[in-house]
Amino acid sequence: NAGVTQTPKFQVLKTGQSMTLQCAQDMNHNSMYWYRQDPGMGLRLIYYSASEGTTDKGEVPNGYNVSRLNKREFSLRLESAAPSQTSVYFCASSSRDPFYTGELFFGEGSRLTVL
Amino acid sequence: QQQVKQSPQSLIVQKGGISIINCAYENTAFDYFPWYQQFPGKGPALLIAIRPDVSEKKEGRFTISFNKSAKQFSLHIMDSQPGDSATYFCAARGLDSNYQLIWGAGTKLIIKP
Repeated sequence: NAGVTQTPKFQVLKTGQSMTLQCAQDMNHNSMYWYRQDPGMGLRLIYYSASEGTTDKGEVPNGYNVSRLNKREFSLRLESAAPSQTSVYFCASSSRDPFYTGELFFGEGSRLTVL
Repeated sequence: QQQVKQSPQSLIVQKGGISIINCAYENTAFDYFPWYQQFPGKGPALLIAIRPDVSEKKEGRFTISFNKSAKQFSLHIMDSQPGDSATYFCAARGLDSNYQLIWGAGTKLIIKP
């Protein structure tokens, strides 16, 4: 069972470069999320998608864009990377309406370094 | 900004001992309190969760204690094992923040054999 798959697992960017983090889930979940994890700060929600065709901002959306490509896939794009975006990014999915049960299924993370 | 304050930041417990991690919240409009466990190089995974109408929930060696009046909840790990060594996150779901989960900063737990 693959669950939630994120690519790439590691990436180094220079300031100003752009990139897209890919996420796919095979659990037929409706809702998908992008979080960033920084030391001492827990997880912070960047964007989420309640269903195919909808996206909403989370706590820290600035500098990011997302696309819910279909029910399986939810991508996160950094248009002009900044050192402050150095972080570990997690994609997650859930089967019910956003946060209904609170149970999120996470990918293994994408570690991004911006120089 | 709503907050969930988690302590301690790190914890070392002997094998067989009790591990206790505490969380406190400020906003009363939280209705769901999960705990997640994260191993190095992996994403967090749901461990156990509680709703505010219950004061305690137990699943195996893991227990959540909830004190609504004090706005505090805690995770107890009984008979702690080296395999429990991980980072633990508490979280709270906010009714007035579009049901987003607000996360604690995490506790790195090390169980010494």
